[in-house]
Amino acid sequence: AQRVTQPEKLLSVFKGAPVELKCNYSYSGSPELFWYVQYSRQRLQLLLRHISRESIKGFTADLNKGETSFHLKKPFAQEEDSAMYYCALSGNNQGGKLIFGQGTELSVKP
Amino acid sequence: GAVVSQHPSRVICKSGTSVKIECRSLDFQATTMFWYRQFPKQSLMLMATSNEGSKATYEQGVEKDKFLINHASLTLSTLTVTSAHPEDSSFYICSAPSAASGNTIYFGEGSWLTVV
Repeated sequence: AQRVTQPEKLLSVFKGAPVELKCNYSYSGSPELFWYVQYSRQRLQLLLRHISRESIKGFTADLNKGETSFHLKKPFAQEEDSAMYYCALSGNNQGGKLIFGQGTELSVKP
Repeated sequence: GAVVSQHPSRVICKSGTSVKIECRSLDFQATTMFWYRQFPKQSLMLMATSNEGSKATYEQGVEKDKFLINHASLTLSTLTVTSAHPEDSSFYICSAPSAASGNTIYFGEGSWLTVV
């Protein structure tokens, strides 16, 4: 079964601290993994996709197939990073159909 | 980048009535669109895949007679909640992949439905 798990509902850190938002997935095949961010009162935005291997707003995520994880990391959190973060999975040939994790609310305190 | 727009952004309707939510891809064509439902601070739950020119594909547990989906053109999909009940109150979000952007998936701003 396809599943995405984000174990932390809320993650609270101080500005400048490192951040890691956990994501584990279950999929029999080679999925594509994404991180989406939803700022307050705004629409969902793509933050990262594993195939592009780029860093956006200082965030990085590495796909670990052995551990079936795609954790999101940032070395120094900023207050403007406070938002809801969703890990999502798209299976082979599913044309944009996404399975989302439960979401993690990141709160960065001054 | 590509834009997906939903209308209305907020709607209140009475129990037993029907309400229609539109999802438009403004600057690209989308043969497929997706409808999600989101409860406050919870995950997005995929409801159905909207297919241009053919029937929608519903996820398990989603009532197709209650949530009618029509994808009449390459830029418009509509979700109609029929005989609405208070438990249908939720945030409904659509998305569409843009082939021109490497199949990047763009999301609408969402529509808040309150059934009273």
